[in-house]
Amino acid sequence: DAGVIQSPRHEVTEMGQEVTLRCKPISGHDYLFWYRQTMMRGLELLIYFNNNVPIDDSGMPEDRFSAKMPNASFSTLKIQPSEPRDSAVYFCASSAWGSNQPQHFGDGTRLSIL
Amino acid sequence: GENVEQHPSTLSVQEGDSAVIKCTYSDSASNYFPWYKQELGKRPQLIIDIRSNVGEKKDQRIAVTLNKTAKHFSLHITETQPEDSAVYFCAASLGATNKLIFGTGTLLAVQP
Repeated sequence: DAGVIQSPRHEVTEMGQEVTLRCKPISGHDYLFWYRQTMMRGLELLIYFNNNVPIDDSGMPEDRFSAKMPNASFSTLKIQPSEPRDSAVYFCASSAWGSNQPQHFGDGTRLSIL
Repeated sequence: GENVEQHPSTLSVQEGDSAVIKCTYSDSASNYFPWYKQELGKRPQLIIDIRSNVGEKKDQRIAVTLNKTAKHFSLHITETQPEDSAVYFCAASLGATNKLIFGTGTLLAVQP
């Protein structure tokens, strides 16, 4: 079974540039989650979708961050303009329909903003 | 807001000993409690989970206990092995939603 697929695995870019992270959830999963992991703040939920609709975006840090899910098999997280403090590992996870279903994580994107 | 506290932050044990990691949650409506293992540079991987209608769950050397009254749950690893070395995260659902609140992690080191 293919798991959650994220791209790119690593991204290094300069401050002010636009960054786009991509995620393909597990086929058949109805929920998609975007997380950010840093040493200082741990694992934080940024936003999650149910059936392609954003349900809770209260974790999105500011207007520079946006996320979309145009269809059931693809989501993007965009940062524009990027800042050095956005450097982190960004994980995408998905889960099946229903409450209390396990979330399965992708391998993450390690983002460095210079 | 709701939060999950996890202790200890680091834990060192000898191979073959047991390890226990404890978490406390604040949302009395939480009903799902997963545990994740994350090796260095890798993704978090679900190792075991428990739902609020169950007090204990076991899977080989791993067990989780839940005390809903006290709002705490624990991970128990028996007969630890060097490959158990990793960071372990607990999490609790926000009420009955699919949103998870994660603990701050425990770095477990198993000394051969």
